[in-house]
Amino acid sequence: DAGITQSPRHKVTETGTPVTLRCHQTENHRYMYWYRQDPGHGLRLIHYSYGVKDTDKGEVSDGYSVSRSKTEDFLLTLESATSSQTSVYFCAIHDRGGKENTEAFFGQGTRLTVV
Amino acid sequence: GNSVTQMEGPVTLSEEAFLTINCTYTATGYPSLFWYVQYPGEGLQLLLKATKADDKGSNKGFEATYRKETTSFHLEKGSVQVSDSAVYFCALSETRGAQKLVFGQGTRLTINP
Repeated sequence: DAGITQSPRHKVTETGTPVTLRCHQTENHRYMYWYRQDPGHGLRLIHYSYGVKDTDKGEVSDGYSVSRSKTEDFLLTLESATSSQTSVYFCAIHDRGGKENTEAFFGQGTRLTVV
Repeated sequence: GNSVTQMEGPVTLSEEAFLTINCTYTATGYPSLFWYVQYPGEGLQLLLKATKADDKGSNKGFEATYRKETTSFHLEKGSVQVSDSAVYFCALSETRGAQKLVFGQGTRLTINP
């Protein structure tokens, strides 16, 4: 199994509070991604990173920010959580290594509930 | 933009039945195509992939063929088992750059003994 760990695995928070989710990898992969999973939508990309301090927006980035200060950690922050951000969040890692069409590995997910 | 459309679920079958889950895509260029599987309480695992037209991906008895002419990548298995019960996602990615994945909505499959 790829060395990728998400924390926390479950969190309940109140509307308006800040929340940070952490993704930690031990694979030294260059690319890291945050997706959210919602019924009827599959997984949608929030933000991704292509290196330390290099990040870009995905399809559903509004209300989220990310940071990557070192290769192994990719943080997702909800500055002021809303009920529409209740979801399951998945981190993924990918290392092209100069190749095309290699495999992405996913973490176990974080179930976030905003009440 | 790129998109993936999957057969609506849930799908319920009896053990040893034949399975098809339809997947079609819209993309610029020539994407790579994937099927991922999610077992209860777990993350996604790659089931199979195909990187160019007419390629067939296969794994654990599952197969899917990259059909460029019909922009499809249907998942099939000849004889399903109870252990195949899971959520299946069709996805595509560009072959270069960040290779971001675009997913279909997922199909929940339940196999009854």
